[in-house]
Amino acid sequence: GQNIDQPTEMTATEGAIVQINCTYQTSGFNGLFWYQQHAGEAPTFLSYNVLDGLEEKGRFSSFLSRSKGYSYLLLKELQMKDSASYLCAADNYGQNFVFGPGTRLSVLP
Amino acid sequence: NAGVTQTPKFQVLKTGQSMTLQCAQDMNHEYMSWYRQDPGMGLRLIHYSVGAGITDQGEVPNGYNVSRSTTEDFPLRLLSAAPSQTSVYFCASSPDARGGETQYFGPGTRLLVL
Repeated sequence: GQNIDQPTEMTATEGAIVQINCTYQTSGFNGLFWYQQHAGEAPTFLSYNVLDGLEEKGRFSSFLSRSKGYSYLLLKELQMKDSASYLCAADNYGQNFVFGPGTRLSVLP
Repeated sequence: NAGVTQTPKFQVLKTGQSMTLQCAQDMNHEYMSWYRQDPGMGLRLIHYSVGAGITDQGEVPNGYNVSRSTTEDFPLRLLSAAPSQTSVYFCASSPDARGGETQYFGPGTRLLVL
C-alpha cells in the first residue's frame, strides 16, 4: 500500500527555525514534493527532491533520503506569513501523486 | 495565462442532486487531476487524466465521473450527491504526464451537500 505520514501540528516562534518531517512508503517512487497551503487557498509549490540530499531555496530547504523513505522541510528565519499547512507528496511513476495529511504550522510573535 | 480555473467557487446541493464541477487550464498541460480535501486527511486523488481521451481512477473515485474531450477541460460530475461528498475540491494540472513536474492547482470549489 501507500502511506505518507507527517505531524499534524507544529508551533514555532517568529525568527526561529522549524523542521517538518515526512515519512513515506509508496510503490514506484519518483520524487517528493513540498507544497504550502494558506487557509482557504490552493496549495502552491515549494520544492521537489529527486536525489538524496539537501536542496536550498532561500529561507526554505528540503532534504530527501530515498533509502530511509524520509524527507524534511526546513524553514529558517520564520515569519508570521509562514503560518500555513505544509503538504508533502510522493510523485509516483504512473502519473499520480500521493499526499500526506499536511502539517499545520503556527508562527507566534 | 489564467492558469487553472474552477467554477463554481461555492455550491450547495441537496442529497440526490447531480452537478458538474468545471475545470479548465490554458497552459497546454498533459496531466490533469481532481482532488478532494477534508479536514485532517490531506488531498485525496479522485480521478486523473494523462491526455485527451484518457482518464483513470484515483484513490476515491466512487460517486464521481470525469471525461477529457479536450486538453484544456476536465469536468468532474457528481452523479447523485451525498452528504459524505461535502468537501473542498481542487483541480490541478501538470506539464508532463510522466511525472517529475509540479502540479498547478485551481482555487478550489467548496461544496456542501445537505
